[in-house]
Amino acid sequence: KAGVTQTPRYLIKTRGQQVTLSCSPISGHRSVSWYQQTPGQGLQFLFEYFSETQRNKGNFPGRFSGRQFSNSRSEMNVSTLELGDSALYLCASSLEGHSNQPQHFGDGTRLSIL
Amino acid sequence: LAKTTQPISMDSYEGQEVNITCSHNNIATNDYITWYQQFPSQGPRFIIQGYKTKVTNEVASLFIPADRKSSTLSLPRVSLSDTAVYYCLVVRYSSASKIIFGSGTRLSIRP
Repeated sequence: KAGVTQTPRYLIKTRGQQVTLSCSPISGHRSVSWYQQTPGQGLQFLFEYFSETQRNKGNFPGRFSGRQFSNSRSEMNVSTLELGDSALYLCASSLEGHSNQPQHFGDGTRLSIL
Repeated sequence: LAKTTQPISMDSYEGQEVNITCSHNNIATNDYITWYQQFPSQGPRFIIQGYKTKVTNEVASLFIPADRKSSTLSLPRVSLSDTAVYYCLVVRYSSASKIIFGSGTRLSIRP
C-alpha cells in the first residue's frame, strides 16, 4: 500500500509570492492533517480536513489555508510568503481522524523563502 | 490535552536497551499515550500506542504504570539506525485529529 505522498519535495519562492503544496493520503484514509516544522518552533499543527471540511485549526494566520477534494487528496496554500514561512511542511493521514488512530506522515515539502 | 515532559537528549551504545521516560501528570481518562520517531528530513513515524500496563510490538515496548502519569518507551538492542528524535504525545479519543508535539528526545547511538 503506497504511503502518504507529498509534492513537490523541495520548493524555493521569494517573499510576497504564494505557494500550493499537495498531499495524497494513504488509500482509504479520509482525514488529512497539515503540520509546519521549523528548528525554532518544532512541529506545529496547522489544520485538519475530513470529508472535504476543515474540522480543526491551529494558531496560524489566515495566509495559511487548505482544502480537501472528494478523493481525500488535500492542498495547502500559503499566500504573501514571508521569510519565516521557510519550513518543512508535513502532511499526515489517518482513517477517520480520531486522535488515537496512528497518523501516517509523508516526508514533507521543504519550502525555502528567499 | 496533557503536556508531556521528556529528556532533551540521550546517548547510548549499539546493542544496549534504551528506555526513554515521559511524564504526563495531567493525563485524562480518555487519553492515550503515543510515541513517534523522526529521522532528519523525514516525517514522523508511528512507533507504539498504549492506554495502560504494557504494550509490545515488533520494534518497541511501552510501559505505563497504574497512575498513568508517566510512560517509558523501551527500545531493545538498539543499532546506529535508531538514532533519531522520539516524541511522546498524549492524544484524546475524539473526532479531532489535532496532535500536539513536544520537543522530543534526541537519541544518539554510538558504535
